[in-house]
Amino acid sequence: AQSVTQLDSHVSVSEGTPVLLRCNYSSSYSPSLFWYVQHPNKGLQLLLKYTSAATLVKGINGFEAEFKKSETSFHLTKPSAHMSDAAEYFCVVRPFSGGYNKLIFGAGTRLAVHP
Amino acid sequence: DTEVTQTPKHLVMGMTNKKSLKCEQHMGHRAMYWYKQKAKKPPELMFVYSYEKLSINESVPSRFSPECPNSSLLNLHLHALQPEDSALYLCASSQETPDRGYSNQPQHFGDGTRLSIL
Repeated sequence: AQSVTQLDSHVSVSEGTPVLLRCNYSSSYSPSLFWYVQHPNKGLQLLLKYTSAATLVKGINGFEAEFKKSETSFHLTKPSAHMSDAAEYFCVVRPFSGGYNKLIFGAGTRLAVHP
Repeated sequence: DTEVTQTPKHLVMGMTNKKSLKCEQHMGHRAMYWYKQKAKKPPELMFVYSYEKLSINESVPSRFSPECPNSSLLNLHLHALQPEDSALYLCASSQETPDRGYSNQPQHFGDGTRLSIL
């Protein structure tokens, strides 16, 4: 069965310090992986995607993620947090299954950024 | 600004009302989706349309009725909703391959309609 586990429900960092949001996945085949961000009262915005090309993926707003097949992980990082990064982050797997594009969402990680 | 536009942004309705949610995209995407999102939870898939045909209904109650009039529009008709249906309703779209085969393209989400049932 396919699944996604976000290892932290809440992460709190100080402005200017690094951000690490952890995600592990379970998939029978090589999946497509995504990170989305959701600010309050907004929809989900795509931060970055991994689709079997480079294992280090760069996204918008300075975020990046590294696909590690041996660890089945896809952790999201940013060198320096900004106040505007405070939001809910979802790690998402699109299993290889053919047919329609069904996503499996992690439970989400709420990132708080303190001055 | 998102490329998927949803209207209205907020909707309050009674349990006997009939209302509709609207979603529009002009990215040429041929797959469109409805999700329901409760507070502090990830989105839950409700319906998938592929090439204007309903391909997936995730066992959604019949008081929710989707409609896809054309490749750019997706509606969700609401009737006799219950208080537990109060949630954020998100629309999304994505590219699909012509043969409906495997697609690794991401879904693009609108900002949602915040629905409150009195």
